[in-house]
Amino acid sequence: QVQLVQSGAEVKKPGASVKVSCKASGYTFTNYAMHWVRQAPGQRLEWMGWVNTGNGNTKFSQKFQGRISITSDTSASTGYMELSSLRSEDTAVYYCAIAAAAGSGFDYWGQGTLVTVSS
Amino acid sequence: QSALTQPPSASGSPGQSVTISCTGTSSDVGGYNYVSWYQQHPGKAPKLMIYEVSKRPSGVPDRFSGSKSVNTASLTVSGLQAEDEADYYCSSYAGISYVFGTGTKVTVL
Repeated sequence: QVQLVQSGAEVKKPGASVKVSCKASGYTFTNYAMHWVRQAPGQRLEWMGWVNTGNGNTKFSQKFQGRISITSDTSASTGYMELSSLRSEDTAVYYCAIAAAAGSGFDYWGQGTLVTVSS
Repeated sequence: QSALTQPPSASGSPGQSVTISCTGTSSDVGGYNYVSWYQQHPGKAPKLMIYEVSKRPSGVPDRFSGSKSVNTASLTVSGLQAEDEADYYCSSYAGISYVFGTGTKVTVL
């Protein structure tokens, strides 16, 4: 069965960077794009960006342009999201999710990774 | 990209139906047949319930249905059950990005 297993919780200081991983199994890694979505405490879901796992191309929400990187390692069937210049407002649960095609729904989700930004 | 607008809450008794709206613009909901709906229980990851406006993934009960008219999409849950109590989010493709709705808490009375 499809599984997306994310790395563990992180605590970071303002200005630092965080890198979250998402290891996939149960399907052909390059058949699905990998997206990243975050959810601040008590808030709505927020789309951050995605990577075409077949060719490495990426698209990001304008909100995160310049401080986000999304990559994928096909040999390890793992995706990564790195966010830099962290501030307290970046405290959130970060999810990876996969979609079979552009515009399609996010079929499967990781369990989420809590990132806390605090001095 | 502004969030899609959903009512903060909706409720119904067991067996009744509840409909949640999701209003966007011609740049997202109205421009593509790529609206999806997610169910999220407290402390859990979202679960895909509807994709491409009205399609149900395997395993999702047919009590869940979706539709769209111009810039507003809707999710209807018929025959409400206790386990349907959750937060629901719509999402739309917007060309090169995606946007989520503000979320609706569904309460089963």
